[in-house]
Amino acid sequence: DVKVTQSSRYLVKRTGEKVFLECVQDMDHENMFWYRQDPGLGLRLIYFSYDVKMKEKGDIPEGYSVSREKKERFSLILESASTNQTSMYLCASSFLGLDFNQPQHFGDGTRLSIL
Amino acid sequence: SQKIEQNSEALNIQEGKTATLTCNYTNYSPAYLQWYRQDPGRGPVFLLLIRENEKEKRKERLKVTFDTTLKQSLFHITASQPADSATYLCALMNRDDKIIFGKGTRLHILP
Repeated sequence: DVKVTQSSRYLVKRTGEKVFLECVQDMDHENMFWYRQDPGLGLRLIYFSYDVKMKEKGDIPEGYSVSREKKERFSLILESASTNQTSMYLCASSFLGLDFNQPQHFGDGTRLSIL
Repeated sequence: SQKIEQNSEALNIQEGKTATLTCNYTNYSPAYLQWYRQDPGRGPVFLLLIRENEKEKRKERLKVTFDTTLKQSLFHITASQPADSATYLCALMNRDDKIIFGKGTRLHILP
């Protein structure tokens, strides 16, 4: 079974802090994704990566950056946390496939609160 | 504008009946559509994928249809059970390789 592990289930940080969310997958997937999920807004893509050291902006990249130094690990960085970044953050991975139709495998999320 | 819409209200279905969830989209031309299940406090879990040239896909008690003329996908759970209670998300893969998720429909199967 594919396992996508997010480093923390719950995290509380203060405004202005630099926050790191870590995600590791064990299935040698090329693609990795970071989403945030908010009530009434659904899942929104922040960044994705299709290879080591590669990254692409999603729909809401502002205020975030990512790092992919190893294939299995994809980190989301909040450069200077703000209260509007309080949310559930979900990491996912998938095989590259020929046409991006591969199922995504999700972690169980990190509920981040910014005070 | 581009939209992907799922029933915003929760759906209550009696155990044993068929649950039907709807996913409508506007101003997209998806090549594929996927359905996911999400339980509270967990990440979504992939259920089924259907391609634009497929009318219907089945997996055990699950059936998905895809009508590109109506711009709609229907997700059916037959012989529903209380364990099927969850939020179900549709996701479409647009031709620019972007994946867009709907907001999900909460399904309650009543014993």
